[in-house]
Amino acid sequence: GQQVMQIPQYQHVQEGEDFTTYCNSSTTLSNIQWYKQRPGGHPVFLIQLVKSGEVKKQKRLTFQFGEAKKNSSLHITATQTTDVGTYFCAGHTGKLIFGQGTTLQVKP
Amino acid sequence: DGGITQSPKYLFRKEGQNVTLSCEQNLNHDAMYWYRQDPGQGLRLIYYSQIVNDFQKGDIAEGYSVSREKKESFPLTVTSAQKNPTAFYLCASSFEGSYNEQFFGPGTRLTVL
Repeated sequence: GQQVMQIPQYQHVQEGEDFTTYCNSSTTLSNIQWYKQRPGGHPVFLIQLVKSGEVKKQKRLTFQFGEAKKNSSLHITATQTTDVGTYFCAGHTGKLIFGQGTTLQVKP
Repeated sequence: DGGITQSPKYLFRKEGQNVTLSCEQNLNHDAMYWYRQDPGQGLRLIYYSQIVNDFQKGDIAEGYSVSREKKESFPLTVTSAQKNPTAFYLCASSFEGSYNEQFFGPGTRLTVL
Protein backbone atom coordinates (compact mmCIF):
# COMPACT_ATOMS: atom_id res chain seq x y z
CA GLY A 1 0.00 0.00 0.00
CA GLN A 2 0.91 3.65 -0.07
CA GLN A 3 3.58 4.49 2.44
CA VAL A 4 5.35 7.53 3.76
CA MET A 5 8.66 6.70 5.38
CA GLN A 6 10.40 9.12 7.68
CA ILE A 7 13.97 8.99 8.96
CA PRO A 8 15.59 9.06 11.38
CA GLN A 9 13.21 7.81 14.07
CA TYR A 10 15.18 9.54 16.82
CA GLN A 11 17.79 12.29 16.86
CA HIS A 12 19.72 13.68 19.80
CA VAL A 13 21.59 16.93 19.22
CA GLN A 14 23.47 19.46 21.28
CA GLU A 15 21.77 22.81 21.50
CA GLY A 16 23.00 24.94 18.62
CA GLU A 17 23.54 22.04 16.24
CA ASP A 18 21.46 21.62 13.10
CA PHE A 19 18.82 18.94 12.60
CA THR A 20 17.22 17.39 9.52
CA THR A 21 14.42 14.88 9.09
CA TYR A 22 13.61 13.24 5.78
CA CYS A 23 10.36 11.99 4.36
CA ASN A 24 10.01 9.62 1.39
CA SER A 25 6.91 8.40 -0.37
CA SER A 26 6.45 5.36 -2.58
CA THR A 27 4.09 7.38 -4.79
CA THR A 28 3.89 10.93 -6.10
CA LEU A 29 2.25 13.25 -3.61
CA SER A 30 -0.30 15.98 -4.26
CA ASN A 31 1.07 17.91 -1.34
CA ILE A 32 2.94 17.35 1.89
CA GLN A 33 2.19 18.71 5.32
CA TRP A 34 4.45 18.95 8.37
CA TYR A 35 3.30 18.78 11.98
CA LYS A 36 5.03 19.12 15.33
CA GLN A 37 3.97 17.29 18.47
CA ARG A 38 5.46 18.45 21.76
CA PRO A 39 5.96 15.80 24.48
CA GLY A 40 2.57 15.00 25.99
CA GLY A 41 0.81 17.16 23.43
CA HIS A 42 -1.00 16.84 20.15
CA PRO A 43 0.20 17.44 16.57
CA VAL A 44 0.16 21.04 15.44
CA PHE A 45 0.27 22.01 11.78
CA LEU A 46 3.47 23.74 10.68
CA ILE A 47 3.30 24.10 6.91
CA GLN A 48 2.06 22.68 3.62
CA LEU A 49 4.11 22.33 0.43
CA VAL A 50 2.37 21.89 -2.90
CA LYS A 51 4.70 22.70 -5.79
CA SER A 52 7.55 20.60 -7.14
CA GLY A 53 10.87 21.87 -5.75
CA GLU A 54 9.14 24.24 -3.35
CA VAL A 55 11.15 25.67 -0.45
CA LYS A 56 9.56 27.50 2.46
CA LYS A 57 11.13 29.00 5.56
CA GLN A 58 9.78 29.73 8.99
CA LYS A 59 12.49 31.45 11.03
CA ARG A 60 15.05 28.67 11.69
CA LEU A 61 12.97 25.97 9.93
CA THR A 62 13.40 25.23 6.24
CA PHE A 63 11.01 22.91 4.41
CA GLN A 64 11.68 21.42 1.00
CA PHE A 65 9.54 19.44 -1.42
CA GLY A 66 11.42 17.32 -3.95
CA GLU A 67 11.30 17.85 -7.68
CA ALA A 68 9.50 14.54 -8.20
CA LYS A 69 7.10 15.32 -5.33
CA LYS A 70 8.05 12.05 -3.63
CA ASN A 71 10.27 13.37 -0.88
CA SER A 72 10.51 16.22 1.54
CA SER A 73 12.76 17.45 4.30
CA LEU A 74 12.63 19.68 7.34
CA HIS A 75 15.86 21.35 8.43
CA ILE A 76 16.24 23.24 11.70
CA THR A 77 19.22 25.56 12.00
CA ALA A 78 20.85 26.06 15.40
CA THR A 79 18.42 24.00 17.45
CA GLN A 80 17.01 25.30 20.72
CA THR A 81 15.47 23.41 23.62
CA THR A 82 12.08 24.68 22.48
CA ASP A 83 12.49 22.58 19.31
CA VAL A 84 12.10 19.36 21.30
CA GLY A 85 9.27 17.16 20.07
CA THR A 86 8.24 14.78 17.32
CA TYR A 87 8.05 16.06 13.76
CA PHE A 88 5.67 14.33 11.38
CA CYS A 89 5.38 14.61 7.65
CA ALA A 90 2.05 13.72 6.07
CA GLY A 91 1.74 13.12 2.36
CA HIS A 92 -1.48 13.52 0.46
CA THR A 93 -2.33 10.91 -2.19
CA GLY A 94 -6.09 11.14 -2.13
CA LYS A 95 -5.88 10.77 1.61
CA LEU A 96 -3.36 12.00 4.13
CA ILE A 97 -0.75 9.45 5.16
CA PHE A 98 1.48 10.22 8.11
CA GLY A 99 5.09 9.22 8.43
CA GLN A 100 6.26 7.56 11.62
CA GLY A 101 7.76 10.78 12.91
CA THR A 102 11.21 11.88 14.04
CA THR A 103 11.64 12.56 17.73
CA LEU A 104 14.13 15.33 18.43
CA GLN A 105 15.91 15.66 21.76
CA VAL A 106 18.04 18.75 22.37
CA LYS A 107 20.69 18.76 25.06
CA PRO A 108 21.28 22.19 26.62
CA ASP B 1 -12.74 30.07 22.16
CA GLY B 2 -12.65 27.88 19.05
CA GLY B 3 -11.10 24.47 18.84
CA ILE B 4 -11.48 20.75 19.26
CA THR B 5 -12.18 19.13 22.56
CA GLN B 6 -11.75 15.52 23.51
CA SER B 7 -12.83 13.99 26.73
CA PRO B 8 -11.72 12.50 28.93
CA LYS B 9 -7.95 12.99 28.80
CA TYR B 10 -7.31 9.65 30.49
CA LEU B 11 -9.64 6.66 30.42
CA PHE B 12 -9.36 3.27 32.03
CA ARG B 13 -11.54 0.32 31.12
CA LYS B 14 -11.66 -3.36 31.82
CA GLU B 15 -11.06 -5.79 29.01
CA GLY B 16 -14.27 -6.76 27.22
CA GLN B 17 -16.03 -3.43 27.76
CA ASN B 18 -16.97 -1.04 24.99
CA VAL B 19 -15.92 2.57 25.52
CA THR B 20 -16.87 5.76 23.68
CA LEU B 21 -14.45 8.63 23.21
CA SER B 22 -15.87 12.09 22.71
CA CYS B 23 -14.77 14.62 20.07
CA GLU B 24 -16.41 18.01 19.59
CA GLN B 25 -15.36 20.91 17.37
CA ASN B 26 -16.69 24.44 16.99
CA LEU B 27 -14.53 25.38 14.02
CA ASN B 28 -17.37 24.78 11.54
CA HIS B 29 -15.20 22.15 9.85
CA ASP B 30 -16.86 19.68 7.51
CA ALA B 31 -14.36 16.86 7.87
CA MET B 32 -13.43 15.00 11.03
CA TYR B 33 -10.95 12.20 11.65
CA TRP B 34 -9.91 9.68 14.26
CA TYR B 35 -6.31 8.55 14.57
CA ARG B 36 -4.59 6.10 16.79
CA GLN B 37 -1.03 6.79 17.93
CA ASP B 38 1.29 4.09 19.22
CA PRO B 39 4.97 4.63 20.05
CA GLY B 40 7.14 4.58 16.94
CA GLN B 41 4.22 4.12 14.55
CA GLY B 42 3.06 7.64 13.86
CA LEU B 43 -0.62 8.32 13.34
CA ARG B 44 -2.86 5.69 11.80
CA LEU B 45 -6.29 6.62 10.47
CA ILE B 46 -9.22 4.77 12.02
CA TYR B 47 -12.27 6.49 10.52
CA TYR B 48 -13.06 9.76 8.83
CA SER B 49 -16.16 11.71 7.94
CA GLN B 50 -16.48 14.41 5.33
CA ILE B 51 -20.12 15.21 5.91
CA VAL B 52 -22.86 14.64 8.44
CA ASN B 53 -24.38 11.15 8.40
CA ASP B 54 -21.53 9.77 6.31
CA PHE B 55 -18.19 8.24 7.26
CA GLN B 56 -15.54 5.95 5.79
CA LYS B 57 -13.17 3.39 7.19
CA GLY B 58 -9.53 4.27 7.47
CA ASP B 59 -6.58 1.90 7.56
CA ILE B 60 -7.32 0.28 10.93
CA ALA B 61 -11.11 0.40 11.37
CA GLU B 62 -11.57 -3.15 12.70
CA GLY B 63 -12.89 -3.12 16.27
CA TYR B 64 -14.00 0.51 16.11
CA SER B 65 -17.24 2.28 15.22
CA VAL B 66 -18.22 5.92 14.75
CA SER B 67 -21.25 8.11 14.15
CA ARG B 68 -21.66 11.59 12.69
CA GLU B 69 -25.13 12.79 13.60
CA LYS B 70 -24.05 16.40 14.05
CA LYS B 71 -21.43 18.46 12.24
CA GLU B 72 -19.76 19.32 15.53
CA SER B 73 -19.49 15.82 16.95
CA PHE B 74 -17.71 12.62 15.90
CA PRO B 75 -17.63 10.08 18.75
CA LEU B 76 -15.51 6.93 18.50
CA THR B 77 -16.49 3.65 20.14
CA VAL B 78 -13.73 1.19 20.91
CA THR B 79 -15.44 -2.18 21.01
CA SER B 80 -14.42 -5.37 22.75
CA ALA B 81 -13.48 -6.72 19.31
CA GLN B 82 -10.44 -4.42 19.17
CA LYS B 83 -7.49 -6.66 20.04
CA ASN B 84 -5.10 -4.04 21.39
CA PRO B 85 -7.14 -1.01 22.40
CA THR B 86 -4.61 0.60 24.74
CA ALA B 87 -3.33 3.64 22.84
CA PHE B 88 -3.44 7.41 22.47
CA TYR B 89 -6.46 8.47 20.40
CA LEU B 90 -6.46 11.74 18.51
CA CYS B 91 -9.40 13.44 16.88
CA ALA B 92 -8.87 16.02 14.15
CA SER B 93 -10.93 18.21 11.88
CA SER B 94 -10.42 20.24 8.74
CA PHE B 95 -12.30 22.23 6.19
CA GLU B 96 -13.65 20.08 3.39
CA GLY B 97 -11.10 17.54 2.20
CA SER B 98 -7.85 16.39 3.74
CA TYR B 99 -5.91 18.74 1.42
CA ASN B 100 -6.40 21.28 4.14
CA GLU B 101 -4.47 21.40 7.37
CA GLN B 102 -5.88 19.31 10.16
CA PHE B 103 -6.52 20.66 13.64
CA PHE B 104 -6.04 18.13 16.39
CA GLY B 105 -7.69 17.78 19.76
CA PRO B 106 -5.66 17.16 22.93
CA GLY B 107 -6.19 13.40 22.70
CA THR B 108 -7.51 10.67 24.98
CA ARG B 109 -5.15 8.11 26.44
CA LEU B 110 -7.08 4.85 26.77
CA THR B 111 -5.77 2.06 28.96
CA VAL B 112 -7.53 -1.28 28.97
CA LEU B 113 -6.73 -3.38 32.00
